[in-house]
Amino acid sequence: ETGVTQSPTHLIKTRGQQVTLRCSSQSGHNTVSWYQQALGQGPQFIFQYYREEENGRGNFPPRFSGLQFPNYSSELNVNALELDDSALYLCASSLRNDYGYTFGSGTRLTVV
Amino acid sequence: KNQVEQSPQSLIILEGKNCTLQCNYTVSPFSNLRWYKQDTGRGPVSLTIMIFSENTKSNGRYTATLDADTKQSSLHITASQLSDSASYICVVSARGSQGNLIFGKGTKLSVKP
Repeated sequence: ETGVTQSPTHLIKTRGQQVTLRCSSQSGHNTVSWYQQALGQGPQFIFQYYREEENGRGNFPPRFSGLQFPNYSSELNVNALELDDSALYLCASSLRNDYGYTFGSGTRLTVV
Repeated sequence: KNQVEQSPQSLIILEGKNCTLQCNYTVSPFSNLRWYKQDTGRGPVSLTIMIFSENTKSNGRYTATLDADTKQSSLHITASQLSDSASYICVVSARGSQGNLIFGKGTKLSVKP
């Protein structure tokens, strides 16, 4: 059984650029959720994808968007990067309506 | 507003000692409460998951309690080890929340030799 894999592990971008983060879900899981964790803070919910559609969204602007693919892997896209977007981005996979969320190790994004 | 508050913010203990971390929440309607361990720069790893009807759940040296009436939970770590040094995050889920887990800010535990 494979866990959740995120790529890249680290990334440095310039303000105004666009970034794509990737997540491969755990085998057998069909739902992917994305979270943003600023330094010293708890993660904040960005959105969740199920069956390739956005299934729930937190308080993030539209420049945060995502995709889920038929193999349940997912992407998080952020446009027009701002300095405050610097954070650890976590992906978690689960079965729909199941309590067990498995987290990846995250992508550390630094915006300069 | 759905919130999860944890205390203490940080804790230093000696190896072999026990400790208890606290979590208070105001999430409604309540579905479940989880405790995660997070090493610096890594993703959270699940320790326990508790639903409304569960009062206590153990996972090795970790024991979580839940009082759904007072909306409080605790995580007790027994016979601490150096590898227990990490942040411990309390996470609460509301019914029908579609992934919108409410995270506490965590308790940073340091175990010293």
